[in-house]
Amino acid sequence: KAGVTQTPRYLIKTRGQQVTLSCSPISGHRSVSWYQQTPGQGLQFLFEYFSETQRNKGNFPGRFSGRQFSNSRSEMNVSTLELGDSALYLCASSGGTGSAYNEQFFGPGTRLTVL
Amino acid sequence: AQSVTQPDIHITVSEGASLELRCNYSYGATPYLFWYVQSPGQGLQLLLKYFSGDTLVQGIKGFEAEFKRSQSSFNLRKPSVHWSDAAEYFCAVGARAAGNKLTFGGGTRVLVKP
Repeated sequence: KAGVTQTPRYLIKTRGQQVTLSCSPISGHRSVSWYQQTPGQGLQFLFEYFSETQRNKGNFPGRFSGRQFSNSRSEMNVSTLELGDSALYLCASSGGTGSAYNEQFFGPGTRLTVL
Repeated sequence: AQSVTQPDIHITVSEGASLELRCNYSYGATPYLFWYVQSPGQGLQLLLKYFSGDTLVQGIKGFEAEFKRSQSSFNLRKPSVHWSDAAEYFCAVGARAAGNKLTFGGGTRVLVKP
């Protein structure tokens, strides 16, 4: 089975621009979660999508948004980029059978640099 | 709200020596507990998990962890460290009511001396 894939792997943007990151979960997985990893704040939960619905949301401003498609692929979007948005963005997928907790599998991440 | 503390930011250990990484969590009910490892430039790989049952959990790569409810701890151990174990280790807590959301500790970077 192929693992979680994230594209692109590296991205450089300038302040004020917007960016879209993509995540393809493991085949058959219905839940996709996004995390931001920075040296200062560590790993922080952004949001989770399950069957195209946002199921959970972290404490990030509205500039951070996401969606999930019918094939479970997910995208996250960051608008009006700030220098502080520079981070490694990790996507995780799991089987997600509703309310039960499932093991999460992480992708390699997208490294976003904002100049 | 859940929280996780990893008191040690860096640990240096000699190859062949034992390793113990500390993790303390805060959560009102029985949590789901995890240890992940991250090598440079890589994503997170799950080492082991605790949901319920036996409090001593075996994982991959020779790691084990022990859940101690009375101490709110979930420490990770390995009897004999290999140079390839040099990486950053993250403890995380999840909760049934929180879907698949994980709360991570700050991580412990492990350096292995030859």
